[in-house]
Amino acid sequence: GDSVTQMEGPVTLSEEAFLTINCTYTATGYPSLFWYVQYPGEGLQLLLKATKADDKGSNKGFEATYRKETTSFHLEKGSVQVSDSAVYFCALTEGYSTLTFGKGTMLLVSP
Amino acid sequence: EAGVTQSPTHLIKTRGQQATLRCSPISGHTSVYWYQQALGLGLQFLLWYDEGEERNRGNFPPRFSGRQFPNYSSELNVNALELEDSALYLCASSLGTSGEETQYFGPGTRLLVL
Repeated sequence: GDSVTQMEGPVTLSEEAFLTINCTYTATGYPSLFWYVQYPGEGLQLLLKATKADDKGSNKGFEATYRKETTSFHLEKGSVQVSDSAVYFCALTEGYSTLTFGKGTMLLVSP
Repeated sequence: EAGVTQSPTHLIKTRGQQATLRCSPISGHTSVYWYQQALGLGLQFLLWYDEGEERNRGNFPPRFSGRQFPNYSSELNVNALELEDSALYLCASSLGTSGEETQYFGPGTRLLVL
């Protein structure tokens, strides 16, 4: 079955540092890939997505590239802010189906 | 445009009771998904409804059930509540099989079973 593996957290960074959160996946077909973010006490917000190989999703300074050869979708941001502190979830779906999530990575950014 | 809405925001029940959670999808969306986010267990898929029909079900006992109404809103019912049902229940909606598959989430209902 499908699965998503994320790096374990928490990831602790200082403001303006570079962020990478690794995500790899296993899927039977050609999934669409997503990053969702969950701020404390809230639901999930879609951060970015990519639907085919070599697509780059981007939003709010975050980027992720769909790498079919390495089955990866790593999340990056050049300069994090305190307000980026949240839990980040990598997820996939194959067609019109349910989402398979990674376990989430907590990001803590200090001033 | 309004996003996915869920009610209530918080719900406190005791063991053995029943809980009913509600979800209204984004206008035009026909698919509704339910997920459970329990402490330490991550996000687990519960149920998927599309056009009023149950399309898929996660690995949960039958006391978790739901339905989708003609206006595409949905209810999740949990019978015979157990302590381990305490969790954040998230609803998501998408255009369904007629369009884009991206799921958009509501703020969740936090269920506490005492």
